[in-house]
Amino acid sequence: GAGVSQSPRYKVTKRGQDVALRCDPISGHVSLYWYRQALGQGPEFLTYFNYEAQQDKSGLPNDRFSAERPEGSISTLTIQRTEQRDSAMYRCASSSQTGASYEQYFGPGTRLTVT
Amino acid sequence: GENVEQHPSTLSVQEGDSAVIKCTYSDSASNYFPWYKQELGKRPQLIIDIRSNVGEKKDQRIAVTLNKTAKHFSLHITETQPEDSAVYFCAASRGSGNEKLTFGTGTRLTIIP
Repeated sequence: GAGVSQSPRYKVTKRGQDVALRCDPISGHVSLYWYRQALGQGPEFLTYFNYEAQQDKSGLPNDRFSAERPEGSISTLTIQRTEQRDSAMYRCASSSQTGASYEQYFGPGTRLTVT
Repeated sequence: GENVEQHPSTLSVQEGDSAVIKCTYSDSASNYFPWYKQELGKRPQLIIDIRSNVGEKKDQRIAVTLNKTAKHFSLHITETQPEDSAVYFCAASRGSGNEKLTFGTGTRLTIIP
């Protein structure tokens, strides 16, 4: 079936604007994660959901970042009043809790550039 | 919180030789340790994972070993091929119920033909 998808793939925005990044997980996957990946670095955890419940948001850098998954499927990561330091690749991943698999499947990412 | 360290940051090996990448972690509650391969411009993809109830797992040319006492785990790639060239990331999590992954800083592996 289809993998994890994200949109937009590229986003250029001016400092101070709000942006919304979308993640469409693999159908039926219970868990959805958001990570941020700087160039040459490993993904850094931001937040995750089981179904529609946000389980852990300890990785969100500050209160300009928020995420939701209202129907337990598609998720949106919102960054308000963007700053240049927010520029990065934002990746979404999903996993199934069926059986004993913990594997997280990553999406292609959204490359955010704040000018 | 969890801290994962990964070494080396770059590794070059001759085609056909073996490559070893090592990681250490700090959280004794971590019990799931995946390895991801990321090719240039692509998304990370799982290549092998191990849970704390086993010490070693093998899948063809790839193997992972885990030492829970010492809190370290390693990736072994044998008979390396040019297509093994990529960045490899180790990660750790507490597994079921709290699956956020903490990643290492990555190893850029180059296979020399």
